[in-house]
Amino acid sequence: EAGVTQFPSHSVIEKGQTVTLRCDPISGHDNLYWYRRVMGKEIKFLLHFVKESKQDESGMPNNRFLAERTGGTYSTLKVQPAELEDSGVYFCASSQVRGLEQYFGPGTRLTVT
Amino acid sequence: GEDVEQSLFLSVREGDSSVINCTYTDSSSTYLYWYKQEPGAGLQLLTYIFSNMDMKQDQRLTVLLNKKDKHLSLRIADTQTGDSAIYFCAEIIGEETSYDKVIFGPGTSLSVIP
Repeated sequence: EAGVTQFPSHSVIEKGQTVTLRCDPISGHDNLYWYRRVMGKEIKFLLHFVKESKQDESGMPNNRFLAERTGGTYSTLKVQPAELEDSGVYFCASSQVRGLEQYFGPGTRLTVT
Repeated sequence: GEDVEQSLFLSVREGDSSVINCTYTDSSSTYLYWYKQEPGAGLQLLTYIFSNMDMKQDQRLTVLLNKKDKHLSLRIADTQTGDSAIYFCAEIIGEETSYDKVIFGPGTSLSVIP
């Protein structure tokens, strides 16, 4: 069974540009989560989808971040415009049962210069 | 509040036992997790324990939970060089129909000396 995949693995962009990160959850997992770890800090929750609906987006830092999960399969996280402080690793996770056993992807390392 | 604390570094000799400690603050935690991140890799779920359990053993891993003191530990028996990684303690908070976000600690970097 394929795990959670994320694309790209690494993205380097300039401040002010737009970047879109993609996450493909494990097949059949309705729950999809985004987390991020910015430099020197803890891994922080961003938001949670149940199928295509946003269940909890309390961790989204500001309106420069937009997450979508059209069709309830893969999800995208767009950062527009990117700022220097957005640099970090963005993780996606999925689970079959709410909360329990969240399986993480390898992460996308975002570098904003 | 939501806060998970861990020591940042631990160094052990190959073959010894490693004990990684963690404290959390949210008494409503339902599950507590240990994740492992190897260099250049993603987060791997190692094990988890329900909040109504005291101990869970899985091969070389033993998880102990002291709910009164809000203290969680991970013991790795016969530590190997392949165990070198960052270990994240995490808790999940929320009720069945409410939030279920995972709160992570800062991670403990385990170095195994051959």
